[in-house]
Amino acid sequence: GIQVEQSPPDLILQEGANSTLRCNFSDSVNNLQWFHQNPWGQLINLFYIPSGTKQNGRLSATTVATERYSLLYISSSQTTDSGVYFCAVDDKIIFGKGTRLHILP
Amino acid sequence: GAVVSQHPSWVICKSGTSVKIECRSLDFQATTMFWYRQFPKQSLMLMATSNEGSKATYEQGVEKDKFLINHASLTLSTLTVTSAHPEDSSFYICSAMGQGKKVFRGSTEAFFGQGTRLTVV
Repeated sequence: GIQVEQSPPDLILQEGANSTLRCNFSDSVNNLQWFHQNPWGQLINLFYIPSGTKQNGRLSATTVATERYSLLYISSSQTTDSGVYFCAVDDKIIFGKGTRLHILP
Repeated sequence: GAVVSQHPSWVICKSGTSVKIECRSLDFQATTMFWYRQFPKQSLMLMATSNEGSKATYEQGVEKDKFLINHASLTLSTLTVTSAHPEDSSFYICSAMGQGKKVFRGSTEAFFGQGTRLTVV
């Protein structure tokens, strides 16, 4: 089956810093989503981005489908951005292992 | 975005009993639903995929007689953990994709329920 790799696995940053999270996938996909899992376990949809670039406030994402990767950018990080970020691909919504982001005040 | 409601949020049950978890799409028709399991500090593992009116397709290693999935309507899927044991304790999450006012036809965007924390004692 399709493999999804996320990097880095853990990231600790100071409030105000910018960050880039990466998602590599092993086969072509027609579906890619980024999620933020909050401390209660709820998955928050950030982007549905099979290809191209999207922006929503301080967050933006780019997927280069031909090269099988996607990037999630977080600018001017806030402590509320802390948590686990997952990318998921394919019609079966296969998840990577996530990036655990911790923003220090 | 579209809303998926999962119930209950948490449940504690005795070993040997069965537990049913419901997953409802509130504002769109869920033609496909997924059930996941997540252990602490790990990723979500797909258990099964179900299409409305069809039998669920289980991932390798998931016991279909243990985890019964029913997707009888376009807005409701249920997961029943039968004869639960402590090792079944986990966080179970459903997701749905389909079409409706907030989900355009042909979209493969999935929306997730709040999850159910199951503890078997």
